[in-house]
Amino acid sequence: EVQLVESGGGLVQPGGSLRLSCAASGFTFSSYEMHWVRQAPGKGLEWLSYISSFGTTIFYADSVKGRFTSSRDNAKNSLYLQMNSLRAEDTAVYYCARGHLWPVRVFDYWGQGTLVTVSP
Amino acid sequence: EIVLTQSPGTLALPPGERATLSCRASQSISSSYLAWYQQKPGQAPRLLIYGASTRATGIPDRFSGSGSGTDFTLTISRLEAEDFAVYFCQQYGSSPMYSFGQGTKLEIK
Repeated sequence: EVQLVESGGGLVQPGGSLRLSCAASGFTFSSYEMHWVRQAPGKGLEWLSYISSFGTTIFYADSVKGRFTSSRDNAKNSLYLQMNSLRAEDTAVYYCARGHLWPVRVFDYWGQGTLVTVSP
Repeated sequence: EIVLTQSPGTLALPPGERATLSCRASQSISSSYLAWYQQKPGQAPRLLIYGASTRATGIPDRFSGSGSGTDFTLTISRLEAEDFAVYFCQQYGSSPMYSFGQGTKLEIK
């Protein structure tokens, strides 16, 4: 069974940093592209980042480019999101999601999410 | 930038009825890159449809997708209690790489 479990969320002050983790199991992690998607309270979904299966190619949404860094450790079956210079508008539930195998460009499995709150 | 606009914002229907949800793109997109997700309160989204019309694994056949170009539709043929949720469409393209519609809330009438 595919499982994605996020951790690392919490309360952080504006300008602060946080590192999210996503532990994957039930599939060959190194064969899949991975993503981060967030959802502000009561709002819609916002894609944040794509990372290729070996971590060699990474893309970001403009809203987080230069502040957030995605990485992965295939030996540990883990995905990470380093978030710096956090702002109030970064308050959201952060999901890691698995990218469906090429050429299908969708998120076929999602974690349960971890809440990040940016507040003084 | 491709913007996806979903309508209606909220749809109230009784169980057993047919639901039709719309997703309109600001410019033409490949139907290969249009998907639909269902999200229930407190849960992560679940993939329903990809390639505009292909059901994901385990999705009941009362869910169907259609459309091309700029207009796409998710249809639920006979609503069951478990179908009342928020539905998002999603596209893959460029800048941003992926984007979602704002969602349609399907509620019980």
